[in-house]
Amino acid sequence: QVQLVQSVSELKRPGASVKISCKASGYTFTYYSINWVRQAPGQGLEWLGWINTDTGNPTYAQDFAGRFVFSLNTSVSTTFLEINSLKTEDTAFYYCTRQSIRTFDYWGQGTLLTVSS
Amino acid sequence: DIVLTQSPLSLPVTPGEPASISCRSNVSLLHSNGYSFLDWYLQKPGQSPQLLIYLGSNRASWVPDRFSGSGSGTEFTLKISRVEAEDVGVYYCMQSLETPLFGGGTRVEIK
Repeated sequence: QVQLVQSVSELKRPGASVKISCKASGYTFTYYSINWVRQAPGQGLEWLGWINTDTGNPTYAQDFAGRFVFSLNTSVSTTFLEINSLKTEDTAFYYCTRQSIRTFDYWGQGTLLTVSS
Repeated sequence: DIVLTQSPLSLPVTPGEPASISCRSNVSLLHSNGYSFLDWYLQKPGQSPQLLIYLGSNRASWVPDRFSGSGSGTEFTLKISRVEAEDVGVYYCMQSLETPLFGGGTRVEIK
């Protein structure tokens, strides 16, 4: 069965960096792109961008180009989201989700990132 | 820019009764291929979002048939024919005609 398993929660200081992982299983990894979505506490869903798992080419939503970096390790079917120069407003749940055509059909369990001094 | 407006913001429901949620776009979501790029997701309390409906009216394989999606262009509706207690959560529409964008969400709760 298709599964996306994300890394555990993180607590970071402002200005630090974090790298969140999303390991896929149950399907051919390079056949489906992975998207990233975040949800601030008590808020709605916000799309961060996606990465082509075949080519490794990332695409970022306009507001997330710069500090946010998507990467891959195809050998272990894993996608990464790295956030640099963390701000307190980056505190949120971060979800990876598989893209089928233009639909997000499977989601990871979410990784809670807390940024606090 | 595309704007999605969901209504109502909150929907108290009685188990066994029907429920309906609206999602309106300021731009037609109808692609030249004939499909409307509008999906519905449910985020149950403490869980990740899960896909319910894709391309406006297609139920995901794991979704009970009490859920249905309809609409085209700029107006879409998610209907639950008979609400069950497990249906509580926040429902989001999402357009993917352009860069993905979620609606603000509709919180469904049991009366």
